[in-house]
Amino acid sequence: GDSVTQTEGLVTVTEGLPVKLNCTYQTTYLTIAFFWYVQYLNEAPQVLLKSSTDNKRTEHQGFHATLHKSSSSFHLQKSSAQLSDSALYYCALSTGSKLSFGKGAKLTVSP
Amino acid sequence: AQTIHQWPVAEIKAVGSPLSLGCTIKGKSSPNLYWYWQATGGTLQQLFYSITVGQVESVVQLNLSASRPKDDQFILSTEKLLLSHSGFYLCAWSPDWGGNYAEQFFGPGTRLTVL
Repeated sequence: GDSVTQTEGLVTVTEGLPVKLNCTYQTTYLTIAFFWYVQYLNEAPQVLLKSSTDNKRTEHQGFHATLHKSSSSFHLQKSSAQLSDSALYYCALSTGSKLSFGKGAKLTVSP
Repeated sequence: AQTIHQWPVAEIKAVGSPLSLGCTIKGKSSPNLYWYWQATGGTLQQLFYSITVGQVESVVQLNLSASRPKDDQFILSTEKLLLSHSGFYLCAWSPDWGGNYAEQFFGPGTRLTVL
């Protein structure tokens, strides 16, 4: 079946420094879409980034990611972390009606 | 604008008791609907999805069932709760025109505690 492996657990970064959350996947499907979801405290998850195009960079709210099918990856990056970026981050693979989530990473940005 | 409402907001139930959770989508016709479960500190696990009234597909078996009695309504239920059912239940929708790769929009969730 499909699987998603991402940076998980607690990730702490100092405000103003870069942050990178890794995400790789395994699937037998040729047509896929990939998402990064962010979940703030006591809120529902919401899409931060999405992509279905190989080797095309997508950006939103200062975050960016590029889907690389050759390496089965969709890493999330930001050049300068902000205090407001503190949240749970999940990468998710869509192979049709099924959406498979990674285990999630709790990002804490400290002053 | 589309809105998604889940009820109840939170529930405390006894092991072995029945459960019914609801989800309603307003402002969107014929959405695809989904149920997810999130254990405390855990990831999101897709449970069911539905693309039309009366049709529900199961993704994971957790001794739960789902039904779609109306175009805008999705129900999650069980006749006997287990301790392992505790967690956060989220309903989500995606537009039918987006095919199977459209973004899913999540509701506010229901927090279930089974004692």
